[in-house]
Amino acid sequence: GQQLNQSPQSMFIQEGEDVSMNCTSSSIFNTWLWYKQDPGEGPVLLIALYKAGELTSNGRLTAQFGITRKDSFLNISASIPSDVGIYFCAGLNPTGANNLFFGTGTRLTVIP
Amino acid sequence: DGGITQSPKYLFRKEGQNVTLSCEQNLNHDAMYWYRQDPGQGLRLIYYSQIVNDFQKGDIAEGYSVSREKKESFPLTVTSAQKNPTAFYLCASRKQGYGYTFGSGTRLTVV
Repeated sequence: GQQLNQSPQSMFIQEGEDVSMNCTSSSIFNTWLWYKQDPGEGPVLLIALYKAGELTSNGRLTAQFGITRKDSFLNISASIPSDVGIYFCAGLNPTGANNLFFGTGTRLTVIP
Repeated sequence: DGGITQSPKYLFRKEGQNVTLSCEQNLNHDAMYWYRQDPGQGLRLIYYSQIVNDFQKGDIAEGYSVSREKKESFPLTVTSAQKNPTAFYLCASRKQGYGYTFGSGTRLTVV
């Protein structure tokens, strides 16, 4: 199955700094999703983007659906220790059952 | 509250044994999925089911089996044919056109 290219693979930042990560694909998607996974838990949906160019915020999180429909980015502002975890992007096509493709993940470490 | 429940949280298996991981959802979602996650890696699809009594192989189905006798349940059996079963297993369900809802995972260790 297809995997999306997600970067960076890992980040170490100071508490209070802003974070940016992105995801690219060779295929067009109709929906982009961003998930966060805490250690030993399942991924939890953070933000869903449904149309090209859309910019959506959820608290300190902001994500955008790229105009080409082949990319998306996620920004976290003023990071805090509980932001630690693995962030996954995912691209969704509306047809078929096996239609959610995941990025390889960005592991975020926040240094207090 | 609706959700998706995986059990057990931790599972230990002796080599050569089959084990079954449970996944139950009360979200009335049609589609269900099983993923495997190895340390530091992303999610790889094992099996998925779009409807009761039907399921399809994912990218790494060898050594695994599933059943979908009820809409709410999608158990995964890790057979002795799976040579490297130690991993974190995630179950998910989906309503058509929306993203996945994940369970909290089962960590399987071969001892």
